[in-house]
Amino acid sequence: DVKVTQSSRYLVKRTGEKVFLECVQDMDHENMFWYRQDPGLGLRLIYFSYDVKMKEKGDIPEGYSVSREKKERFSLILESASTNQTSMYLCASSIQTVTNEKLFFGSGTQLSVL
Amino acid sequence: GEDVEQSLFLSVREGDSSVINCTYTDSSSTYLYWYKQEPGAGLQLLTYIFSNMDMKQDQRLTVLLNKKDKHLSLRIADTQTGDSAIYFCAASGYSTLTFGKGTMLLVSP
Repeated sequence: DVKVTQSSRYLVKRTGEKVFLECVQDMDHENMFWYRQDPGLGLRLIYFSYDVKMKEKGDIPEGYSVSREKKERFSLILESASTNQTSMYLCASSIQTVTNEKLFFGSGTQLSVL
Repeated sequence: GEDVEQSLFLSVREGDSSVINCTYTDSSSTYLYWYKQEPGAGLQLLTYIFSNMDMKQDQRLTVLLNKKDKHLSLRIADTQTGDSAIYFCAASGYSTLTFGKGTMLLVSP
């Protein structure tokens, strides 16, 4: 089974802190994604990556950056955390295909910014 | 861009059938997916359907696709309390999936 592991289940940070959310997948998937999930808004794509050192902006990249130095690891960085970044963050990975994007998700990181 | 809409809430009794509906806007979506999210967990792929199919059945799950109306539904037969969760519809786009906002299914005994 594909395993996508997010390093923290719960995080509490202060406004202005730099925050790192880590995600590791063990199935040699090319594609990796970061979403945030908020009540009433569903899932919104922040950034994604098709290969090592490659990154693409999603729908809401402002205030975030990402790093993909190794194929199995995709990090989401909040440069200066703000209260409106309090959310559930979900990492996902998938095999590279043209049209079939079967995503496998981690369990999520619930981030609270105080 | 793609827009995916689904109703936000459905309540059924245990043993009944549940039908969760979804509409999408991009007729070029090749695959359509249903994901399930249990409380406190990430999303789990339940099933998916290729756009040239009308129906797909997988045990208690039946997916119906009306490509003309861009309408997708998920039927869960003999719904159990363990089926209580949020169900997300998603459509494949150029490079990513577009998700609906999710339908919360509440199953009462």
